[in-house]
Amino acid sequence: DQQVKQNSPSLSVQEGRISILNCDYTNSMFDYFLWYKKYPAEGPTFLISISSIKDKNEDGRFTVFLNKSAKHLSLHIVPSQPGDSAVYFCAARRAGGSEKLVFGKGTKLTVNP
Amino acid sequence: DTGVSQDPRHKITKRGQNVTFRCDPISEHNRLYWYRQTLGQGPEFLTYFQNEAQLEKSRLLSDRFSAERPKGSFSTLEIQRTEQGDSAMYLCASSLEVWGAGAFFGQGTRLTVV
Repeated sequence: DQQVKQNSPSLSVQEGRISILNCDYTNSMFDYFLWYKKYPAEGPTFLISISSIKDKNEDGRFTVFLNKSAKHLSLHIVPSQPGDSAVYFCAARRAGGSEKLVFGKGTKLTVNP
Repeated sequence: DTGVSQDPRHKITKRGQNVTFRCDPISEHNRLYWYRQTLGQGPEFLTYFQNEAQLEKSRLLSDRFSAERPKGSFSTLEIQRTEQGDSAMYLCASSLEVWGAGAFFGQGTRLTVV
C-alpha cells in the first residue's frame, strides 16, 4: 500500500523555467511533510518541509504547497537550474510520536541548459 | 568530515552469508535511523534508535535482521543468511531533534547478494 505517491517518474524542464513536482498521500494522520533531493551515489539531502498547520512554506527558490483537503503537496522550483537535476523524494511523518518517514518513489528532474 | 559515515560503501556477498554494516552518526546526534532503498523505490524505514534504545522497528525487519547501537554512538546493522531480495542500498541517518533540516543521511552501503 503506497501511502505516499509520486505519480510522475520523470520531469524535464528548461533552465530558468518553473519546475513543479507533485506528491499525493492517502493517510490523513500525516502531519509533517518533507522534500529530499538525491544525487547518484549520495544519500538524500533535506530540501524543505511543511507542517500540516500551514499551506505554504518558502525557502529561496523552493516553495512547498500543501492542500490538505486534496491530500496533495507540490514543490515549486523557480527558476530551475541545471544543478537542480536530481531525484526528488516526497516524505511524510505520521502524527503521534512516530519517527518513521514514509517516502514516495521519487521523481527524476532534468533541467536542460 | 563531520557528516554521517557508513562503512563499507559497497558489499558483494554470496547468498546465505552474514553481513554487517556500520554507521557513524554526527557526534552530537542522539537519533539514528536505518532505511533500505531498492531500485526504483523510495527509502523504506527499517528501525530507529534514540541514544542506545531501539524505539521503532519495521515489519520489514525480519528475524534475519538485527540492529544495535551500543552506548548510543555508532550503530551496526546485521543481516544473517542473506537472500537475493536483500540486495539494496542501506541508508543511515542521524539527527539531534526530529526530522527536518537537522537530519542528515549518509551515502549508504550498496549490498549485492549473488
